[in-house]
Amino acid sequence: DAGVIQSPRHEVTEMGQEVTLRCKPISGHNSLFWYRQTMMRGLELLIYFNNNVPIDDSGMPEDRFSAKMPNASFSTLKIQPSEPRDSAVYFCASSHVGGVQETQYFGPGTRLLVL
Amino acid sequence: KNQVEQSPQSLIILEGKNCTLQCNYTVSPFSNLRWYKQDTGRGPVSLTIMTFSENTKSNGRYTATLDADTKQSSLHITASQLSDSASYICVVSPWGGGFKTIFGAGTRLFVKA
Repeated sequence: DAGVIQSPRHEVTEMGQEVTLRCKPISGHNSLFWYRQTMMRGLELLIYFNNNVPIDDSGMPEDRFSAKMPNASFSTLKIQPSEPRDSAVYFCASSHVGGVQETQYFGPGTRLLVL
Repeated sequence: KNQVEQSPQSLIILEGKNCTLQCNYTVSPFSNLRWYKQDTGRGPVSLTIMTFSENTKSNGRYTATLDADTKQSSLHITASQLSDSASYICVVSPWGGGFKTIFGAGTRLFVKA
């Protein structure tokens, strides 16, 4: 099993540019989560999907952030326009069934730097 | 305000020694409490998941305990290894909150040879 796959692993961009982060969950998992991690705020849940449907996006910081899951094997997190304060590591995680006690498997993360 | 506080912030121990990490929370009621291990440059890996009714859960050399009365959890690492050097994060999910989770800031553990 390849695990959760994220791309790119590193992204450096300039303020104002659009950034798209990609995630491929583990095959068979039906829940997907996007997290952000910074030194100041630690790990934060941004949004989660169940069966490709966004269930809770209350963690999305503002309208500049959007996430989609067009099918069970692919999700994107888009930031438009990007700002320096968006610099962080963005993790995608997936789980099976989606119960609150299910183990979440994290990807390696995308390290985003906005200049 | 729901909070999860971990102590110590960082810890240095010698290889082979045991150690205990603490997690105090104010989330009440809660659905479950998780401990994650995060190696530098990697995503977190789940170690244990406990519901509010469980007192202890083990995963190899890792043992988590939970005292719902005092709202405290601990993660005990036995016979530490160099590979245990990582951040350990305590996460609490409020009851009825779905996947809403409250993360602790983590404890950074360094195991020295």
